[in-house]
Amino acid sequence: DVKVTQSSRYLVKRTGEKVFLECVQDMDHENMFWYRQDPGLGLRLIYFSYDVKMKEKGDIPEGYSVSREKKERFSLILESASTNQTSMYLCASSLGGTLTYEQYFGPGTRLTVT
Amino acid sequence: AQSVSQHNHHVILSEAASLELGCNYSYGGTVNLFWYVQYPGQHLQLLLKYFSGDPLVKGIKGFEAEFIKSKFSFNLRKPSVQWSDTAEYFCAVFRRGFQKLVFGTGTRLLVSP
Repeated sequence: DVKVTQSSRYLVKRTGEKVFLECVQDMDHENMFWYRQDPGLGLRLIYFSYDVKMKEKGDIPEGYSVSREKKERFSLILESASTNQTSMYLCASSLGGTLTYEQYFGPGTRLTVT
Repeated sequence: AQSVSQHNHHVILSEAASLELGCNYSYGGTVNLFWYVQYPGQHLQLLLKYFSGDPLVKGIKGFEAEFIKSKFSFNLRKPSVQWSDTAEYFCAVFRRGFQKLVFGTGTRLLVSP
């Protein structure tokens, strides 16, 4: 069974803080993704990575950065958290190649920025 | 503009009713299509997928979806829903040659016992 884990289920941070969200997958997947999920907006892609040290911007990268130093780990960084970044953050992974494979999702981190 | 449309945002059904959730996309070219489900408090998980071949795809838990290329649609169906089908359902489209899976806004289904 593919397992994607995220470091926290719930997180509360203050405006201006630097926030790290960690994601680890145990299936040796090449591709990893960060989404945010908001009511009425579905899932929106923030960043993705198809290899170690590689990253690509998704649809809403502003205010975020990512790091992928190891194949199994993909971190999302909020350099200076703002209230409009309050959201549910989902990490996903998939096999590599053409990126057409099924994505496996983690449980999500509900981030509140006050 | 949203390129993957799920027109029903909230659906309420009684048990044993039939279900059809609409999904339309606006991309040309070759696409791969997915339906994901998120049960309350659980991970998003794959319900079914279409890559090629038979446009009628069967998934888990009695769900099926039909790809109609001429209508750019991939509607999800189940002949008889159960209370345990209460969840949020997301349609997603992958465009060949691009690198992103684009999700619809989701449909919340509530099945009353």
